[in-house]
Amino acid sequence: SQQGEEDPQALSIQEGENATMNCSYKTSINNLQWYRQNSGRGLVHLILIRSNEREKHSGRLRVTLDTSKKSSSLLITASRAADTASYFCAPVPPGSARQLTFGSGTQLTVLP
Amino acid sequence: DTGVSQNPRHKITKRGQNVTFRCDPISEHNRLYWYRQTLGQGPEFLTYFQNEAQLEKSRLLSDRFSAERPKGSFSTLEIQRTEQGDSAMYLCASSLGPGSDKSLHFGNGTRLTVT
Repeated sequence: SQQGEEDPQALSIQEGENATMNCSYKTSINNLQWYRQNSGRGLVHLILIRSNEREKHSGRLRVTLDTSKKSSSLLITASRAADTASYFCAPVPPGSARQLTFGSGTQLTVLP
Repeated sequence: DTGVSQNPRHKITKRGQNVTFRCDPISEHNRLYWYRQTLGQGPEFLTYFQNEAQLEKSRLLSDRFSAERPKGSFSTLEIQRTEQGDSAMYLCASSLGPGSDKSLHFGNGTRLTVT
């Protein structure tokens, strides 16, 4: 298994602004998943992007994947206070039937 | 509610005591995972089951930790002779496997405090 590294560690923005967080990983992947965690709660799956996809949208979320740079980004547009949470990426290697591995995440704070 | 359920939500125990947590996964999910999370860190993998078989255990899972999943349904995680370093959030997740493109569904965790 491999771990993604999220950057920045913390991000603070005003409501209505866009938030971008990045994920880097080290080896080849089958797909990469993004999760959100509100304080004191479990993780919630946001979006999965496969290795042959470059961009994916889901509501206000936009995920990009650059396998040549081994990086992904998560963009949240028109952020809301309710988007305040920690965000984690989980790169999934090919053929992996095992666990997902998480980094330390990006702590996003959206100020009203 | 058909989500992953964990009990108890909070547990305070004294050092040296044994504790047991329970996880009820989504009913049709055959994979079940246990993670541990400390403040400011991401979840760390502990172990995972496919049906009733425990297929992988992390080095983090010392011999004081044991997990079971009888009959491939709910799972329990027991910590014997708790230490203060065991204080953490213990998260359970389930997925419909096999396949690496399956997302995990997490419960809201059990927060353990060892005094």
